[in-house]
Amino acid sequence: EAGVTQFPSHSVIEKGQTVTLRCDPISGHDNLYWYRRVMGKEIKFLLHFVKESKQDESGMPNNRFLAERTGGTYSTLKVQPAELEDSGVYFCASSQGGPVQETQYFGPGTRLLVL
Amino acid sequence: AQSVTQPDIHITVSEGASLELRCNYSYGATPYLFWYVQSPGQGLQLLLKYFSGDTLVQGIKGFEAEFKRSQSSFNLRKPSVHWSDAAEYFCAVGARGTYKYIFGTGTRLKVLA
Repeated sequence: EAGVTQFPSHSVIEKGQTVTLRCDPISGHDNLYWYRRVMGKEIKFLLHFVKESKQDESGMPNNRFLAERTGGTYSTLKVQPAELEDSGVYFCASSQGGPVQETQYFGPGTRLLVL
Repeated sequence: AQSVTQPDIHITVSEGASLELRCNYSYGATPYLFWYVQSPGQGLQLLLKYFSGDTLVQGIKGFEAEFKRSQSSFNLRKPSVHWSDAAEYFCAVGARGTYKYIFGTGTRLKVLA
């Protein structure tokens, strides 16, 4: 069974540009999460989907970030316009159920560098 | 507010030596506790988790962790480290009834041959 996949693995963009990150969860997992790790810091929660509905987006930094999960399958996280402080590793995770006692399976992350 | 502290950013051990990675948490009640590992190019993999019961938890790859309520700690241990254990290790907590993890800053383990 395929794990959580993320695309691209790396992205380097200029400040002010737009970047879209994609996450494909494990098939059948209704819960999908986005986390972010800024260099040297902890991994921080961004938001949580159940199927196509946003359940908790309390960790989204600002309105430059837009997450979608059309049809309850894959998810995208768009940053527009990107700023220098958006650099970091963006992780996606999925779980079959919840809450936290259900194991969250993480992807390898997308490394974003904003110049 | 909940928080997780991993006081060691880097640890270097020799292959075959024992290992202990420290994790302290701040939370009003007993949280759910987790250890994840990230090897280069891989996603975070769950090593073990603690919800309740026996305070010594066994995980995959020969790892174990002990929950000590009095010290608010959940330290990860392995009696004999292998070169393949070189990775970054993350401690995390989750509050009952919620969906998100609170992570520590991670400990990067280097193993000397």
